[in-house]
Amino acid sequence: GENVEQHPSTLSVQEGDSAVIKCTYSDSASNYFPWYKQELGKRPQLIIDIRSNVGEKKDQRIAVTLNKTAKHFSLHITETQPEDSAVYFCAALKGGSYIPTFGRGTSLIVHP
Amino acid sequence: DAGVTQSPTHLIKTRGQQVTLRCSPKSGHDTVSWYQQALGQGPQFIFQYYEEEERQRGNFPDRFSGHQFPNYSSELNVNALLLGDSALYLCASSPPRINEQFFGPGTRLTVL
Repeated sequence: GENVEQHPSTLSVQEGDSAVIKCTYSDSASNYFPWYKQELGKRPQLIIDIRSNVGEKKDQRIAVTLNKTAKHFSLHITETQPEDSAVYFCAALKGGSYIPTFGRGTSLIVHP
Repeated sequence: DAGVTQSPTHLIKTRGQQVTLRCSPKSGHDTVSWYQQALGQGPQFIFQYYEEEERQRGNFPDRFSGHQFPNYSSELNVNALLLGDSALYLCASSPPRINEQFFGPGTRLTVL
């Protein structure tokens, strides 16, 4: 089955810095890669996603890049703010599947 | 649109008891998935319901069972509770033929 590795497990940055979280996946049939943000005690919320027919997608301060050849994808957050502090999960899904395989999560801490 | 809703929000049970958790999907969604999220971990897939049938199941024992009703709402039942079943149980719904998942707020289950 699919295996998703996520790094780092913890990321500490100063407000205004950029943050990058990286994920690798094992199944070359995976073609949909969502990212979720989960604040303490709250539900995971979809913040951005990318499908394998594109290499990059941006939404304001957040961007995701995908390298299908290397089977890795990354989340980039620019100009970080304290409210960006949360646990971020990457996931991968195969075409026709509705079941994401999640990474173990990255705890992002943005210091004011 | 209320989004995905779950009840109850919190639940305390003792070992050996049985529990039923409930989920109402987002309006227009027909697929419901259940996840178990232990503290500090990513969501682990339990099973998914579509057209009132279990479409796929993760690596969970038969003590975990579910149901989907004609209105697409769903229940998760856990029998013979163990201490290790203590976790946040998340429900996620998906629209027809689209593999995006929208999570509910979760039910925090504590087994004493």
